[in-house]
Formats: sequence, structure tokens, C-alpha cells
Amino acid sequence: EIVLTQSPATLSLSPGERATLSCRASQSISSYLAWYQQKPGQAPRLLIYDASNRATGIPARFSGSGSGTDFTLTISSLEPEDFAVYYCQQRSIWPPTFGGGTKVEIK
Amino acid sequence: EVQLVESGGGLVQPGRSLRLSCAASGFTFDDYAMHWVRQAPGKGLEWVSVISWDSGSKGYADSVKGRFTISRDNAKKSLHLQMNNLRAEDTALYYCAAGFIGGTYGYFDNWGQGTLVTVSS
Repeated sequence: EIVLTQSPATLSLSPGERATLSCRASQSISSYLAWYQQKPGQAPRLLIYDASNRATGIPARFSGSGSGTDFTLTISSLEPEDFAVYYCQQRSIWPPTFGGGTKVEIK
Repeated sequence: EVQLVESGGGLVQPGRSLRLSCAASGFTFDDYAMHWVRQAPGKGLEWVSVISWDSGSKGYADSVKGRFTISRDNAKKSLHLQMNNLRAEDTALYYCAAGFIGGTYGYFDNWGQGTLVTVSS
């Protein structure tokens, strides 16, 4: 089973700042990685798939990069609605697995 | 608009059974794989099970294999999860999710709001 390790666990930033979230896989997963956003009391929402493709309706301030074992989600300028928990997920090697999440909180 | 509405959760004693359902609308249900993903209170996400569009392929997490059975009824646009021999560690919010991108072994594009399963004596 692929283990995904997300860092940092918590990111404290102010609106307008840039957020950089990391996800590292225990072995190569090519580009088969997605990012999800989850706000309190809500279901997760797909943001990025195949490492760098934005899902339908996702604002351009969200971008993904990486391949192999190291991946990054970047939020170029944080909006108030972006403060949430972010999870990465791989589909390269069955079963699909999620990272432990990064909480982006208001500083 | 894609809608997924889960039902069937509740409080159940260890060792008992529960059947979850998910009603789908707003998309061509029988074109896509469907998943169950769960989230224990205050914890992260855990994939549980998948079923292909035609029920020809099914997959389970090791933690539920042999106890849970996934099924679907394309005519009724519904997804089900039969959960037997429930354990305390199965306590979680159970989401159904549609897999549009990547086929049966793809991503979780759209999610329901979840149904809470609590296993406790």
C-alpha cells in the first residue's frame, strides 16, 4: 500500500499570502495524484487530478505540480474561503490511499 | 447538477449489520464507477470500496474485506453498501462518491454529504 505523507500538518497564513502544501509518496506514483479540499461539516471537493489538472470550476489560484514521489499544491493568494483541510490521494497503485491532510488556518 | 444522497446510517451494536444506500441524480449513473469513502470522527479519509459501472469489478479495503459488500442498481440509480459484523472501528461518516475521471480506478469527482454510522454497545 502506498503511504502518502503530507506536510506541514498545519499551515498558518494570512489572506493574500501564498500557500505551499507538500505530499510525498512512499514509492513512485507517476502523476496519478489528486488534491481535495474539505471545509468543516462539508464533503471533500476535488481540486486537482493527475497532479496538475484543475477540476471543473476550480479557480486558477490553485495549481498542482510534481511527479514520481514529490507533489505540491500551491494556492497563489489565499482567499478567506480557502482556509480548510487539504488531502492528497493516489490512484497509481491499488488500493487508493489518502494523505493525512494539511490544515490551512488563518494566522 | 450532480447529486448524491446517502441514507441508512445510524447507531448499531458491534457484530450487527447495516445497509447504506446512495441515490444518484444529475448524471448518467450507469456510465461511471462508484465508491464508498469513510471518515472517522476528527480523522482523515479512508477509501472503503468501489464498483465498476457494470458491477463487473468490485474492490474493498483490507479493513472491510469479507464483511462489507458493495452493489448497485443502475435502473434505480442507486448504490449500496451492506455492512456485516460491524466493529467499533467502523464508526465513521460514510460518503458515496462518483468516479468520473480515471475510470474504475480513478478519482472521486463528486461526493454526497455522508451518512453517519456509529458502532457502539
